Amino acid sequence: DAGITQSPRHKVTETGTPVTLRCHQTENHRYMYWYRQDPGHGLRLIHYSYGVKDTDKGEVSDGYSVSRSKTEDFLLTLESATSSQTSVYFCAISGGGGQGYEQYFGPGTRLTVT
Amino acid sequence: QKEVEQDPGPLSVPEGAIVSLNCTYSNSAFQYFMWYRQYSRKGPELLMYTYSSGNKEDGRFTAQVDKSSKYISLFIRDSQPSDSATYLCAMSSRRSGTSYGKLTFGQGTILTVHP
Repeated sequence: DAGITQSPRHKVTETGTPVTLRCHQTENHRYMYWYRQDPGHGLRLIHYSYGVKDTDKGEVSDGYSVSRSKTEDFLLTLESATSSQTSVYFCAISGGGGQGYEQYFGPGTRLTVT
Repeated sequence: QKEVEQDPGPLSVPEGAIVSLNCTYSNSAFQYFMWYRQYSRKGPELLMYTYSSGNKEDGRFTAQVDKSSKYISLFIRDSQPSDSATYLCAMSSRRSGTSYGKLTFGQGTILTVHP
């Protein structure tokens, strides 16, 4: 298994509070991604990183920010959580050996905003 | 129209059957094709990775890519109850500069293999 961990694995928070999710990799892959997965919508890209301090928006970035200060860590922050951000969040990495297009996913964080 | 179309199923087969899962796509720039398996409440797990057209086999799994028809398939031989999961196709065009090799996913097909 790719060395990807996510923390926390489960979180319940209240509307309006800030929340930070962490993704940690031990594979030294260049690219890191945050997705959310919702019934009927599949996997949707929130933000991605193509290097330390290099990040960009995905297709559903409103209400989210990210930071990457080290190769191994990619943080996703919900500035002020809303109920529509209740979801399962997955981190993924790519850019390893070979062509490096395949992405490897972490175990996910189940977030509930009440 | 979505860039990638995948029949959501659900698909239910008896143990030992051959399963065929399919995706069609519209973007001719896609060159890298993947199949993921996702068990309930788990992260997607990479099953197969194929570049351009052709076949790739790994144990009971065979991935096929037909770029001329914009059609990819995953075959599972001798299906087992442990194959019961959601299967997602995903594809990407070539990465350039800071372009990040975005994956475009199908909606996923729910497969159940019953004993």
